[in-house]
Amino acid sequence: ETGVTQTPRHLVMGMTNKKSLKCEQHLGHNAMYWYKQSAKKPLELMFVYSLEERVENNSVPSRFSPECPNSSHLFLHLHTLQPEDSALYLCASSQDQGTNIQYFGAGTRLSVL
Amino acid sequence: KQEVTQIPAALSVPEGENLVLNCSFTDSAIYNLQWFRQDPGKGLTSLLLIQSSQREQTSGRLNASLDKSSGRSTLYIAASQPGDSATYLCASSSGNTPLVFGKGTRLSVIA
Repeated sequence: ETGVTQTPRHLVMGMTNKKSLKCEQHLGHNAMYWYKQSAKKPLELMFVYSLEERVENNSVPSRFSPECPNSSHLFLHLHTLQPEDSALYLCASSQDQGTNIQYFGAGTRLSVL
Repeated sequence: KQEVTQIPAALSVPEGENLVLNCSFTDSAIYNLQWFRQDPGKGLTSLLLIQSSQREQTSGRLNASLDKSSGRSTLYIAASQPGDSATYLCASSSGNTPLVFGKGTRLSVIA
Protein backbone atom coordinates (compact mmCIF):
# COMPACT_ATOMS: atom_id res chain seq x y z
CA GLU A 1 0.00 0.00 0.00
CA THR A 2 1.43 3.35 -1.05
CA GLY A 3 -1.13 5.50 0.78
CA VAL A 4 -2.73 6.59 -2.50
CA THR A 5 -6.09 4.99 -3.29
CA GLN A 6 -7.82 5.11 -6.65
CA THR A 7 -11.40 4.12 -7.43
CA PRO A 8 -12.75 2.46 -9.40
CA ARG A 9 -10.03 0.01 -10.39
CA HIS A 10 -11.76 -0.80 -13.66
CA LEU A 11 -14.24 1.23 -15.71
CA VAL A 12 -15.99 0.55 -18.98
CA MET A 13 -17.90 3.42 -20.53
CA GLY A 14 -19.55 4.40 -23.76
CA MET A 15 -18.54 7.48 -25.69
CA THR A 16 -21.61 9.40 -24.55
CA ASN A 17 -21.26 8.58 -20.83
CA LYS A 18 -20.06 10.83 -18.06
CA LYS A 19 -17.96 9.26 -15.32
CA SER A 20 -15.44 10.32 -12.70
CA LEU A 21 -12.22 8.83 -11.42
CA LYS A 22 -11.32 9.39 -7.78
CA CYS A 23 -7.97 9.58 -6.05
CA GLU A 24 -7.41 9.93 -2.31
CA GLN A 25 -4.20 10.33 -0.31
CA HIS A 26 -3.72 10.55 3.44
CA LEU A 27 0.01 11.17 3.36
CA GLY A 28 -0.23 14.88 4.08
CA HIS A 29 1.15 15.67 0.64
CA ASN A 30 0.69 19.03 -1.05
CA ALA A 31 0.95 17.97 -4.69
CA MET A 32 -1.19 15.55 -6.68
CA TYR A 33 -0.91 14.36 -10.27
CA TRP A 34 -2.90 12.60 -12.99
CA TYR A 35 -0.99 10.46 -15.50
CA LYS A 36 -2.13 8.47 -18.53
CA GLN A 37 -0.40 5.21 -19.42
CA SER A 38 -1.17 3.82 -22.86
CA ALA A 39 0.24 0.65 -24.33
CA LYS A 40 3.78 1.04 -25.66
CA LYS A 41 4.01 4.74 -24.69
CA PRO A 42 5.78 6.43 -21.81
CA LEU A 43 3.70 7.67 -18.91
CA GLU A 44 2.15 11.00 -19.90
CA LEU A 45 1.57 13.67 -17.31
CA MET A 46 -1.92 15.17 -17.62
CA PHE A 47 -2.42 17.52 -14.69
CA VAL A 48 -0.56 18.75 -11.62
CA TYR A 49 -2.17 20.30 -8.56
CA SER A 50 -0.13 22.02 -5.89
CA LEU A 51 -1.87 23.22 -2.73
CA GLU A 52 -5.20 22.59 -4.49
CA GLU A 53 -4.36 24.86 -7.42
CA ARG A 54 -3.82 23.54 -10.91
CA VAL A 55 -0.24 24.34 -11.92
CA GLU A 56 0.11 22.20 -15.00
CA ASN A 57 -2.23 21.23 -17.82
CA ASN A 58 -0.23 19.26 -20.31
CA SER A 59 -2.33 20.05 -23.40
CA VAL A 60 -5.06 17.67 -22.31
CA PRO A 61 -8.35 17.71 -24.28
CA SER A 62 -11.25 19.39 -22.53
CA ARG A 63 -13.16 16.10 -22.35
CA PHE A 64 -10.92 15.45 -19.32
CA SER A 65 -11.73 17.81 -16.45
CA PRO A 66 -9.79 17.61 -13.16
CA GLU A 67 -11.03 18.77 -9.80
CA CYS A 68 -9.14 19.09 -6.51
CA PRO A 69 -11.61 20.02 -3.75
CA ASN A 70 -9.02 19.64 -0.98
CA SER A 71 -5.45 18.51 -0.53
CA SER A 72 -6.44 14.87 0.01
CA HIS A 73 -8.73 14.33 -2.97
CA LEU A 74 -8.36 14.57 -6.70
CA PHE A 75 -10.96 13.77 -9.33
CA LEU A 76 -10.86 13.34 -13.08
CA HIS A 77 -14.23 13.93 -14.71
CA LEU A 78 -14.72 12.24 -18.05
CA HIS A 79 -17.24 13.05 -20.76
CA THR A 80 -17.67 12.20 -24.44
CA LEU A 81 -14.46 10.19 -24.50
CA GLN A 82 -13.01 8.48 -27.55
CA PRO A 83 -11.85 4.85 -27.87
CA GLU A 84 -8.23 6.08 -28.01
CA ASP A 85 -8.68 7.39 -24.47
CA SER A 86 -8.72 3.80 -23.23
CA ALA A 87 -5.69 3.49 -20.94
CA LEU A 88 -4.52 3.09 -17.35
CA TYR A 89 -5.01 6.36 -15.48
CA LEU A 90 -2.65 6.78 -12.56
CA CYS A 91 -2.81 9.24 -9.70
CA ALA A 92 0.24 10.21 -7.68
CA SER A 93 1.11 12.51 -4.83
CA SER A 94 4.29 14.04 -3.46
CA GLN A 95 5.18 16.20 -0.49
CA ASP A 96 5.68 19.16 -2.76
CA GLN A 97 5.61 19.68 -6.50
CA GLY A 98 8.45 18.46 -8.65
CA THR A 99 11.39 17.42 -6.55
CA ASN A 100 10.20 14.74 -4.21
CA ILE A 101 9.44 11.06 -4.49
CA GLN A 102 6.00 10.48 -5.98
CA TYR A 103 3.71 7.85 -4.55
CA PHE A 104 1.39 6.22 -7.05
CA GLY A 105 -2.03 4.66 -6.75
CA ALA A 106 -2.84 1.34 -8.42
CA GLY A 107 -4.62 3.08 -11.27
CA THR A 108 -7.97 2.89 -13.00
CA ARG A 109 -8.10 0.73 -16.12
CA LEU A 110 -10.47 2.59 -18.46
CA SER A 111 -12.05 1.10 -21.55
CA VAL A 112 -14.06 3.35 -23.86
CA LEU A 113 -16.39 1.49 -26.20
CA LYS B 1 12.67 19.01 -24.24
CA GLN B 2 13.88 16.15 -22.07
CA GLU B 3 13.66 12.67 -23.56
CA VAL B 4 14.26 9.51 -21.58
CA THR B 5 15.15 6.24 -23.29
CA GLN B 6 15.35 2.78 -21.77
CA ILE B 7 17.17 -0.12 -23.33
CA PRO B 8 16.40 -2.94 -23.68
CA ALA B 9 12.60 -2.84 -23.94
CA ALA B 10 12.42 -6.39 -22.63
CA LEU B 11 14.88 -8.71 -20.90
CA SER B 12 14.66 -12.34 -19.83
CA VAL B 13 17.27 -13.83 -17.49
CA PRO B 14 17.64 -17.04 -15.45
CA GLU B 15 17.21 -16.84 -11.70
CA GLY B 16 20.34 -15.86 -9.80
CA GLU B 17 21.86 -13.77 -12.56
CA ASN B 18 23.06 -10.23 -11.96
CA LEU B 19 21.66 -7.75 -14.46
CA VAL B 20 21.81 -4.11 -15.51
CA LEU B 21 19.00 -1.97 -16.83
CA ASN B 22 19.91 1.17 -18.75
CA CYS B 23 18.36 4.63 -18.85
CA SER B 24 19.58 7.61 -20.87
CA PHE B 25 18.39 11.19 -20.90
CA THR B 26 19.04 14.01 -23.35
CA ASP B 27 19.21 17.00 -20.99
CA SER B 28 21.85 16.62 -18.29
CA ALA B 29 20.44 19.52 -16.23
CA ILE B 30 18.39 17.20 -14.07
CA TYR B 31 17.50 17.63 -10.42
CA ASN B 32 17.08 13.98 -9.66
CA LEU B 33 16.42 10.65 -11.30
CA GLN B 34 14.07 7.96 -10.02
CA TRP B 35 13.66 4.28 -10.70
CA PHE B 36 10.20 2.74 -10.36
CA ARG B 37 8.83 -0.76 -10.52
CA GLN B 38 5.43 -1.54 -12.03
CA ASP B 39 3.74 -4.91 -11.73
CA PRO B 40 1.14 -5.86 -14.37
CA GLY B 41 -2.09 -3.90 -13.94
CA LYS B 42 -0.72 -2.03 -10.95
CA GLY B 43 0.63 1.40 -10.15
CA LEU B 44 4.26 2.40 -9.78
CA THR B 45 6.41 1.77 -6.73
CA SER B 46 9.40 4.05 -6.20
CA LEU B 47 12.60 2.03 -5.79
CA LEU B 48 15.43 4.54 -5.67
CA LEU B 49 15.88 8.27 -6.07
CA ILE B 50 19.27 9.74 -6.93
CA GLN B 51 19.82 13.45 -6.43
CA SER B 52 21.90 15.22 -9.07
CA SER B 53 24.76 15.62 -6.59
CA GLN B 54 24.90 11.87 -5.92
CA ARG B 55 26.57 9.13 -7.92
CA GLU B 56 24.63 6.15 -6.65
CA GLN B 57 21.99 4.85 -4.28
CA THR B 58 21.59 1.36 -2.88
CA SER B 59 18.64 -0.51 -1.44
CA GLY B 60 19.08 -4.18 -0.71
CA ARG B 61 19.93 -5.99 -3.95
CA LEU B 62 19.35 -2.84 -6.01
CA ASN B 63 21.98 -0.29 -6.89
CA ALA B 64 21.27 2.74 -9.08
CA SER B 65 24.02 4.91 -10.52
CA LEU B 66 23.91 8.32 -12.14
CA ASP B 67 26.36 9.88 -14.58
CA LYS B 68 25.00 13.30 -15.49
CA SER B 69 27.81 14.16 -17.88
CA SER B 70 27.01 11.20 -20.11
CA GLY B 71 23.27 11.41 -19.53
CA ARG B 72 23.02 7.88 -18.18
CA SER B 73 21.69 5.95 -15.24
CA THR B 74 21.82 2.24 -14.58
CA LEU B 75 19.86 -0.01 -12.25
CA TYR B 76 21.83 -3.02 -11.11
CA ILE B 77 19.91 -5.98 -9.69
CA ALA B 78 22.01 -8.58 -7.91
CA ALA B 79 21.08 -12.26 -7.64
CA SER B 80 17.80 -11.84 -9.51
CA GLN B 81 14.69 -13.69 -8.32
CA PRO B 82 11.39 -14.55 -10.05
CA GLY B 83 9.73 -11.96 -7.80
CA ASP B 84 11.80 -9.28 -9.51
CA SER B 85 9.80 -9.82 -12.70
CA ALA B 86 8.13 -6.52 -13.50
CA THR B 87 8.49 -3.44 -15.67
CA TYR B 88 11.16 -1.02 -14.49
CA LEU B 89 10.78 2.66 -15.34
CA CYS B 90 13.19 5.51 -14.94
CA ALA B 91 12.12 9.13 -14.76
CA SER B 92 14.05 12.40 -14.60
CA SER B 93 13.05 15.59 -12.84
CA SER B 94 14.41 19.07 -13.55
CA GLY B 95 13.38 21.03 -10.48
CA ASN B 96 9.78 22.12 -10.69
CA THR B 97 9.18 20.51 -14.07
CA PRO B 98 7.21 17.27 -14.11
CA LEU B 99 8.80 13.84 -14.18
CA VAL B 100 9.70 12.63 -17.67
CA PHE B 101 9.42 8.87 -17.96
CA GLY B 102 11.01 6.31 -20.22
CA LYS B 103 8.92 3.53 -21.76
CA GLY B 104 10.32 0.98 -19.34
CA THR B 105 12.15 -2.33 -19.48
CA ARG B 106 10.02 -5.44 -18.98
CA LEU B 107 12.06 -7.93 -16.95
CA SER B 108 11.31 -11.62 -16.69
CA VAL B 109 13.34 -13.73 -14.27
CA ILE B 110 12.95 -17.41 -15.08
CA ALA B 111 13.08 -19.95 -12.24
